[in-house]
Amino acid sequence: QLVLTQSPSASASLGASVKLTCTLSSGHSSRPIAWHQQQPEKGPRYLMRVNSDGSHSRGDGIPDRFSGSSSGSERYLTISSLQSEDEADYFCQTWDTDIRVFGGGTKLTVL
Amino acid sequence: EVQLVESGGGLVQPGRSLRLSCTTSGFTFGTSAMSWVRQAPGKGMQWVGFIRHKADGGTAEYAASVKGRFTVSRDDSESVAYLQMNSLKTEDTAVYYCTKEDAGNSDYWGQGTLVTVSS
Repeated sequence: QLVLTQSPSASASLGASVKLTCTLSSGHSSRPIAWHQQQPEKGPRYLMRVNSDGSHSRGDGIPDRFSGSSSGSERYLTISSLQSEDEADYFCQTWDTDIRVFGGGTKLTVL
Repeated sequence: EVQLVESGGGLVQPGRSLRLSCTTSGFTFGTSAMSWVRQAPGKGMQWVGFIRHKADGGTAEYAASVKGRFTVSRDDSESVAYLQMNSLKTEDTAVYYCTKEDAGNSDYWGQGTLVTVSS
């Protein structure tokens, strides 16, 4: 079964960096994923796609403070030079030919 | 500029039907798959269904929780996607988002429309 697992919460200080993790279920470690951001009371925004080899492609207008990487079944989103507006929910997504799957999301607090 | 605008949400009684629309612009709708995703109050994202573009068969797939009750369709001449929701249940209460897809992942989202199922 295709499942994505994320930690419910994370925190980091203003100006620092943070690395969020999305873990693919067993047998699915080669799949790409997408990262999305949802700021409070707003609709989601696509951030980037991360492939199993660690390559990533950002969405339109996404600053290069946001980057992606990969190791085994884990896909990462790193946000550097944290700003107050980065405080948001971050969720990952993957897909197969007949299904789309979302992770439970990580709530990021900027201290 | 890519834009997706959902409409048609509102308050509906259990067992009734509702149709959501997603009006789009700024991209080639006819060659894009389109998805519907929902978010119940205080919860995470749940995929509802998607429809392939015509060259890929134009067929739709659904989450188990809505299969047989919901139908995704598209009008390529108007660049609009639809979500027909029948036999609505209280647990269908959520903000419904339409998304444009790119090779499987959603790469643009609408602002969402709230559907409340309650007597």
